[in-house]
Order: sequence, then structure tokens, then C-alpha cells
Amino acid sequence: GENVEQHPSTLSVQEGDSAVIKCTYSDSASNYFPWYKQELGKRPQLIIDIRSNVGEKKDQRIAVTLNKTAKHFSLHITETQPEDSAVYFCAATGSGNTPLVFGKGTRLSVIA
Amino acid sequence: GAVVSQHPSWVICKSGTSVKIECRSLDFQATTMFWYRQFPKQSLMLMATSNEGSKATYEQGVEKDKFLINHASLTLSTLTVTSAHPEDSSFYICSARGPGGIEQFFGPGTRLTVL
Repeated sequence: GENVEQHPSTLSVQEGDSAVIKCTYSDSASNYFPWYKQELGKRPQLIIDIRSNVGEKKDQRIAVTLNKTAKHFSLHITETQPEDSAVYFCAATGSGNTPLVFGKGTRLSVIA
Repeated sequence: GAVVSQHPSWVICKSGTSVKIECRSLDFQATTMFWYRQFPKQSLMLMATSNEGSKATYEQGVEKDKFLINHASLTLSTLTVTSAHPEDSSFYICSARGPGGIEQFFGPGTRLTVL
């Protein structure tokens, strides 16, 4: 089955700096890679996703890149703000009934 | 669109009792529903996958007789934690996927505390 590794587990950045979180996956059949932001006690909130036919996707301050050959995908947050502080999860899945498999999460702290 | 509700949002029960958690897709038909469990400061761990009208598929290490899953309709799945114990205390989150879709839509979660 799918295995998703996520690094780093914690990340502290100064407000205005960029943050990068990296994930690797094991199943070459996976073709959908979402990123979630989770605040304490809340459901995961989808912030951006990418499908395997695309190498990069951007939405304002957030971008995701995908390298299918290396089975890597990364989340980039630019101009970080204190409200970006949360736990971020990457995930991967294929089609059909295959579920999302999550990385272990990254706790991002943006210091004002 | 793509709203998933979960009920209750939190529950406190005594050890040995059973607790039922409902997950509903409000505006789409969920052919597949997934149940996750999240312990404090950990990731979401898949417990089981259920398809409407068929038996759930449980992940390794998840006791199917303890965590009963029913997916009786295209909009409702239930998770019953039977004979709950303190170690079952966790945040339970369901998610649903529509026909032909790949995105999973998450419910708000249920905080279970077993005393």
C-alpha cells in the first residue's frame, strides 16, 4: 500500500519568510496529492492539490510542485503570516476506492 | 457543495458502553466513505473504507468487531465503538467521496472521551 513520508515535523519561520514542506510517496499509481491545514480540534482543510498530469500549481501565496519520477511533492508558502501557523499534512491517493494516506504532519510556527 | 456532517461533535462515555457516530454527505451521494482516527499530535490514521451496501474493509490492526461500520445508504455511514475503553479516546473523522471523484470531503470530526 501507499506510504507517505513528510519532512520536517516542525518548522519555525519569521513572518514574511517562505516555508517549504516536502513529502515523498511510494506508490507510483497515486495520482492525486492534496495538502491540508489543520487547526486544533478541527477537520483538515484542503488548501491546494495537484494531480499527476501537472508539475506545478499556484494559488496566491501557496504553491505545490510534483516530481513524479522521484515521487516527491512539496508545499511552498511565501510571505508567511502568523495566521499560517498550524499543522500541515500532505496526502496521496490513486483512483477508485483507494483512500487518502497522510504524512505525519508538519507543525508550522510563524513568528511575528 | 460537497458538505459532510458528523454527529455528535463530542461525546463522553463510561468505559464499557457503546458509542455511535454518524457521518452524512449533505449534498452529494457518497459511494465511498472513509473513517480515520487521530490521536493528539499525530496524523490521521485510516481505520476502514466502506462502500454503500457492502461490508467495510478494515485496515490492519483495526478490530472489526469493536469498530462496527455500516454504510446503509449513499448519504449515511455510521461507526459504532463497542465496549469503549479509555484507549479508544480519540478524534474520529469521516470523509466521503462521490462517484467518479477523487477528492475526499471531511466531516468536522467527533471527539470521543472514554472515562
